[in-house]
Amino acid sequence: GAVVSQHPSWVICKSGTSVKIECRSLDFQATTMFWYRQFPKQSLMLMATSNEGSKATYEQGVEKDKFLINHASLTLSTLTVTSAHPEDSSFYICSARDQGPRGSGNTIYFGEGSWLTVV
Amino acid sequence: GESVGLHLPTLSVQEGDNSIINCAYSNSASDYFIWYKQESGKGPQFIIDIRSNMDKRQGQRVTVLLNKTVKHLSLQIAATQPGDSAVYFCAEIRGTGNQFYFGTGTSLTVIP
Repeated sequence: GAVVSQHPSWVICKSGTSVKIECRSLDFQATTMFWYRQFPKQSLMLMATSNEGSKATYEQGVEKDKFLINHASLTLSTLTVTSAHPEDSSFYICSARDQGPRGSGNTIYFGEGSWLTVV
Repeated sequence: GESVGLHLPTLSVQEGDNSIINCAYSNSASDYFIWYKQESGKGPQFIIDIRSNMDKRQGQRVTVLLNKTVKHLSLQIAATQPGDSAVYFCAEIRGTGNQFYFGTGTSLTVIP
């Protein structure tokens, strides 16, 4: 079945550094991917919609210069947290829409998430 | 709308009982809804979906009910099992980019 892979699963970085998280669709092409953030015991909050070949669309209140999103190919989107601070520590989850013949256009697959800890 | 950072409500049920998890959505224009299950430290897992032209949809041990009048969604789990313990989220699809927005979620604990 379709799989969305995130890498790394866990990352610890020092305050002030940048960290990149990858989201890959393994057996389908995804022109649209979504990035979510989740704090412990809270819901998933949509951060941005990643569109292949164009700029990402950010949700209100999300700093686009801090959370850089690049969707350079049909199977890969990356989220870079720049100048990370401890308050950026969170669970980051991506999802990808399968718009191929198998998908209905709204078939969404989620990755397993990436834990970011900023120390 | 999107989660506003509230802590998850909780629901505890005895094994074998039925569970009902509720969700309110905000946008009357939303036309597609999905229930997800999330186990600790993992990504959301699809359970069942429903479109706005339906009131009810059944799956294996699960039923989703949609009340568009009051913008309310519910997930019913029959004969709840310990493996059902998880956090359950409803998600609505809306917006020009068909984005998925998640509700607050409910933490379900099944007591053996």
